[in-house]
Amino acid sequence: AQKITQTQPGMFVQEKEAVTLDCTYDTSDPSYGLFWYKQPSSGEMIFLIYQGSYDQQNATEGRYSLNFQKARKSANLVISASQLGDSAMYFCAMSFFNTGTASKLTFGTGTRLQVTL
Amino acid sequence: DAGVTQSPTHLIKTRGQHVTLRCSPISGHKSVSWYQQVLGQGPQFIFQYYEKEERGRGNFPDRFSARQFPNYSSELNVNALLLGDSALYLCASNFYTKETQYFGPGTRLLVL
Repeated sequence: AQKITQTQPGMFVQEKEAVTLDCTYDTSDPSYGLFWYKQPSSGEMIFLIYQGSYDQQNATEGRYSLNFQKARKSANLVISASQLGDSAMYFCAMSFFNTGTASKLTFGTGTRLQVTL
Repeated sequence: DAGVTQSPTHLIKTRGQHVTLRCSPISGHKSVSWYQQVLGQGPQFIFQYYEKEERGRGNFPDRFSARQFPNYSSELNVNALLLGDSALYLCASNFYTKETQYFGPGTRLLVL
């Protein structure tokens, strides 16, 4: 069974600094996707970045980059130049694409990021 | 373009009652998924629908049911509400089941 582990319940970072949020996963399936979502206190899950298991290069989206280490089964999110508006819960999630049924997202427990002045 | 919309935003019910939550996907998206997020946890998968057919069901009791309409909107129904059903219910849509899912703002359900 697939599992996502986020070991950092909370993180602090100063404004304008970079921060890395950890995510490890467990699967024996060769075809999968890894996602990061941001959830502000309002509750909506905001999609940030996606990495496919066969992608050769690490994904980047603006200030977000994904440090994908397939052999270690890790998919850490790096946020550069943190802003106060980055304060939120961050969830790592995984889905599978080689089945004929649902591609459900399996989420980790999340990391609460607090950006300080 | 409008994102995923959900209604109502908040709901208070008592134990034993029934509730219906509604979701409209992003225009052009044909797949809708439902998730339950209990306070302090990550979302848990409940259902996925594509082209009005159920494509997957999570580990939830039969009190939970859903359907998708010809316009791709969806309803989640929960019967015989329990205190433990209190949660944020999130709806997500994508064009096809195996693409990135985009979430709505959620419905906060409180069962008293």
